[in-house]
Amino acid sequence: VQLVQSGAEVKKPGASVKVSCKASGYTFTSYYIHWVRQAPGQGLEWMGTINPSGGSTTYTQRLQGRVTMTRDTSTATLYMELSSLRSEDTAMYYCARELIPAALYYGMDVWGQGTTVTVSS
Amino acid sequence: DIQMTQSPSSLSASVGDRVTVTCRAGRSITSYLNWYQQTPGKAPKLLIYSTSSLPSGVPSRFSGSGSGTNFTLTISGLQPEDFATYYCQQTYSTPFTFGRGTRLEIK
Repeated sequence: VQLVQSGAEVKKPGASVKVSCKASGYTFTSYYIHWVRQAPGQGLEWMGTINPSGGSTTYTQRLQGRVTMTRDTSTATLYMELSSLRSEDTAMYYCARELIPAALYYGMDVWGQGTTVTVSS
Repeated sequence: DIQMTQSPSSLSASVGDRVTVTCRAGRSITSYLNWYQQTPGKAPKLLIYSTSSLPSGVPSRFSGSGSGTNFTLTISGLQPEDFATYYCQQTYSTPFTFGRGTRLEIK
């Protein structure tokens, strides 16, 4: 079971970034996927979650309107796109799988390796 | 949003010690409280879910307790690999907020 994320990105303020997370080793549509970010030297911030089965999403209000989470069931890949980037979005971005299938309340047991996104002019 | 307050923000301990980290929720989250361990440069690791359940492979020296708004993580018999940062997270309602972390350092 693993989640493999795309490589590091450097973006200018105002641009968008799309991070991918390829899942393998389990039934893709059975487990919710969360996205979590961590600014340099800071704590963890939950960004939102997607149900890979139907594609439904829930986002934190802080990022509402700027974040979009999607999935491609044919390739077992999740995507997180963040638009209107600002310097405060510089962070490590992680995808993480929910512990229990078809559930949303038990924590994240499998994590991607992280994708560094740097926003700088 | 439910605010999660961890204490202390840092602590020093020795190998073999017993340590306790506290997490307080801004309102009741029943038992929907998880703990993670993170070492520098690594992704977080799920240590405890639903207040007191250990995922497969997590050593039994880790334990959790609490309910409602007050929760604790206890490590009995610290090992060298336990020196890390620990985060609590509530999964009672979205957004699933984290505490600010407790850094456990070697004394």
